Amino acid sequence: RKEVEQDPGPFNVPEGATVAFNCTYSNSASQSFFWYRQDCRKEPKLLMSVYSSGNEDGRFTAQLNRASQYISLLIRDSKLSDSATYLCVVNRYNFNKFYFGSGTKLNVKP
Amino acid sequence: SQTIHQWPATLVQPVGSPLSLECTVEGTSNPNLYWYRQAAGRGLQLLFYSVGIGQISSEVPQNLSASRPQDRQFILSSKKLLLSDSGFYLCAWSVQGDLTDTQYFGPGTRLTVL
Repeated sequence: RKEVEQDPGPFNVPEGATVAFNCTYSNSASQSFFWYRQDCRKEPKLLMSVYSSGNEDGRFTAQLNRASQYISLLIRDSKLSDSATYLCVVNRYNFNKFYFGSGTKLNVKP
Repeated sequence: SQTIHQWPATLVQPVGSPLSLECTVEGTSNPNLYWYRQAAGRGLQLLFYSVGIGQISSEVPQNLSASRPQDRQFILSSKKLLLSDSGFYLCAWSVQGDLTDTQYFGPGTRLTVL
């Protein structure tokens, strides 16, 4: 079983829509959680960390459910510039490795 | 502030030729360093990671190797490239022992093996 699983998409949404991505992780010892964004042919860049209490950054909201071992990312009022692949990432205590999901592709259309 | 450099940005190499990709980090000490490969349309595959000079952990058996000759320098090498080595090679760093911190990626090297 993969450490981190994501729906590959693509999610095709109109501008202004709200879209949600989910990600599940298999190891309950996972301690840190992140969402990255990767534009076509570019390196992944950190979008936001995910905290147990949930956190919000503008139009983006991240949630963590430790009991069910899933992480979510909500994007409100989608913009054309939000089109990218969104990667879910987890890290474990006392490990130096980060586990990446394969990414969910988002296409925001006019 | 910290920055990470990779070069070259693009590379076209014939099958059977050697490879050397370099990554350097500035503005931090004793980072964890990582090499990933991303095939076209695929996810990230961890190739190697290092927690210190001369300490390399290999994640997948292959014809690639890595070295860390200096604290902030990480090198990916191959003696003979295969067609399957084509991909987007990304170097990344993270702070040792800090779970709240995350990984930061360099701009990557796009390798095409012909």
